[in-house]
Amino acid sequence: GQNIDQPTEMTATEGAIVQINCTYQTSGFNGLFWYQQHAGEAPTFLSYNVLDGLEEKGRFSSFLSRSKGYSYLLLKELQMKDSASYLCAVLDSNYQLIWGAGTKLIIKP
Amino acid sequence: IAGITQAPTSQILAAGRRMTLRCTQDMRHNAMYWYRQDLGLGLRLIHYSNTAGTTGKGEVPDGYSVSRANTDDFPLTLASAVPSQTSVYFCASSANAGQGAREQFFGPGTRLTVL
Repeated sequence: GQNIDQPTEMTATEGAIVQINCTYQTSGFNGLFWYQQHAGEAPTFLSYNVLDGLEEKGRFSSFLSRSKGYSYLLLKELQMKDSASYLCAVLDSNYQLIWGAGTKLIIKP
Repeated sequence: IAGITQAPTSQILAAGRRMTLRCTQDMRHNAMYWYRQDLGLGLRLIHYSNTAGTTGKGEVPDGYSVSRANTDDFPLTLASAVPSQTSVYFCASSANAGQGAREQFFGPGTRLTVL
């Protein structure tokens, strides 16, 4: 079966750095996405990785290792508005997105 | 403002009733999707449409049907609602499907409660 694993919840301090991990086992791989979802709102796109390595976009970076079935999202200089759920999703061999349950990130002052 | 709209925002429905959730996008995207999101679970794909006139079944299609008569609209119908269909439903779209699949844009969601 297909499976995406992420921690259920993480806590971090404002101004700090946090890394959210995602491991996946899917039938095929055509890219990995990270989305942000604030409570009661729709998911919004953060990043897309299809090749190994680090993609940096402002305070957010995303890393992919296809051989390890592993990705992480790195958030720097945390702000209170970063409190949200972060969803990892993999585009499988049928080009359908398989979603993890999401990691709820709590930022404390 | 370009994007995706969904209606209704929320609905309480008696079991056995028929219900259609509406979804409209104005981005001229080819592909559209319906997901349900339940606490503790990832988004699960119900149905999808790669282009107007075609539809396909996702991971959890039972009890739901869709149509794609034109590019903009992708309604989801519950023929006879059951309590297990209580969920938040998200409609999404992307410019293309298949090898062109990239970022998906989501509507604001419909919170459905079936009693």
